[in-house]
Amino acid sequence: QKEVEQDPGPLSVPEGAIVSLNCTYSNSAFQYFMWYRQYSRKGPELLMYTYSSGNKEDGRFTAQVDKSSKYISLFIRDSQPSDSATYLCAMSAGGNKLVFGAGTILRVKS
Amino acid sequence: EAGVVQSPRYKIIEKKQPVAFWCNPISGHNTLYWYLQNLGQGPELLIRYENEEAVDDSQLPKDRFSAERLKGVDSTLKIQPAELGDSAVYLCASSLEGGAADTQYFGPGTRLTVL
Repeated sequence: QKEVEQDPGPLSVPEGAIVSLNCTYSNSAFQYFMWYRQYSRKGPELLMYTYSSGNKEDGRFTAQVDKSSKYISLFIRDSQPSDSATYLCAMSAGGNKLVFGAGTILRVKS
Repeated sequence: EAGVVQSPRYKIIEKKQPVAFWCNPISGHNTLYWYLQNLGQGPELLIRYENEEAVDDSQLPKDRFSAERLKGVDSTLKIQPAELGDSAVYLCASSLEGGAADTQYFGPGTRLTVL
């Protein structure tokens, strides 16, 4: 079993929909949680960063961490075709090593 | 400010041939990472440098892979000899320091195809 599990999708939604992306993990030592966005033929770029539990909002994006359930989520409001990409969750126990999920492919249809 | 630069972007080689990838990190970033990304998977760390020192190379297959970071700036990752299973995207990333909260900035990657 992988340390970080993420449904690969693809997830296809109409423009304007609310998107929910999720990851589960098994290592209770993880304290730092990130979401990266990766466009085709590009490297990942950091979208959201959360330390420990709680919510964080940035524009149309909200990241949630529930450490008791070992579950993290990324919500995208008013989704746009430009949001079509692969979304990777990543987490760290406090050292430098990031453990990534497999990524969820998101397609937003106009 | 220029991002992380990698070259070449694409490389096709025959199996058993050697191949090298080059990375130029963001100016001033002390920490450099090489990741392997297989199709449909997330990046997996191969090696991490703090300045010139490789501080985590536990996932680097040392029988065929080698890396160096001379003068603590540019880095080269080499595979010799390449195998069919090495076909993947090789990503380079850099961060200002090496802390867990430090943002890693990724380059576009080198897509390797081994025939």
